[in-house]
Amino acid sequence: NAGVTQTPKFRVLKTGQSMTLLCAQDMNHEYMYWYRQDPGMGLRLIHYSVGEGTTAKGEVPDGYNVSRLKKQNFLLGLESAAPSQTSVYFCASTDHSFYGYTFGSGTRLTVV
Amino acid sequence: DQQVKQNSPSLSVQEGRISILNCDYTNSMFDYFLWYKKYPAEGPTFLISISSIKDKNEDGRFTVFLNKSAKHLSLHIVPSQPGDSAVYFCAASLTTAGNKLTFGGGTRVLVKP
Repeated sequence: NAGVTQTPKFRVLKTGQSMTLLCAQDMNHEYMYWYRQDPGMGLRLIHYSVGEGTTAKGEVPDGYNVSRLKKQNFLLGLESAAPSQTSVYFCASTDHSFYGYTFGSGTRLTVV
Repeated sequence: DQQVKQNSPSLSVQEGRISILNCDYTNSMFDYFLWYKKYPAEGPTFLISISSIKDKNEDGRFTVFLNKSAKHLSLHIVPSQPGDSAVYFCAASLTTAGNKLTFGGGTRVLVKP
């Protein structure tokens, strides 16, 4: 099925460990985004990309890095995980239209 | 400071009645507004949107109203159905800025049969 696929779905990390979250879309969308969802705070933008090879910072970029080497993939990296990064992470993509994003089903990350 | 706020964290409504969800924003430059619906363990899904040049948009049971002078939008669901029980997020966009969305904190809706 067409859409946005996030891997892994769940992960537990120890403080200081690193990991990469993968987002893949098969809709040929130009724009891709990483958000984190925390209780009462909605979704906050971490990083985004407006095309292959481009990345830009969002509202809460500290502690995260991203790469968009291929148009269909958007990777989110945590170099040294901290408990404050415990959250649900959502990837989304859109084309140039204004009719909203397609979201993945999320990655629940716990940092202990 | 949150640029998009949903001041009601939860709402309970009887099946068949109207659900009204509210959203306020502070940035007058926002030019496009959207509502998303989210079920547990799933990503948000797009529900309905409105451009800043309009004051109302309707799609079936869902209507979004925009009051630019008050920087306020609302979502009406009529009639409410048990399957509408979910978390609803409003979002605002500056369409000239990479289509980034700024989300509110969400309102959890419970429709009682």
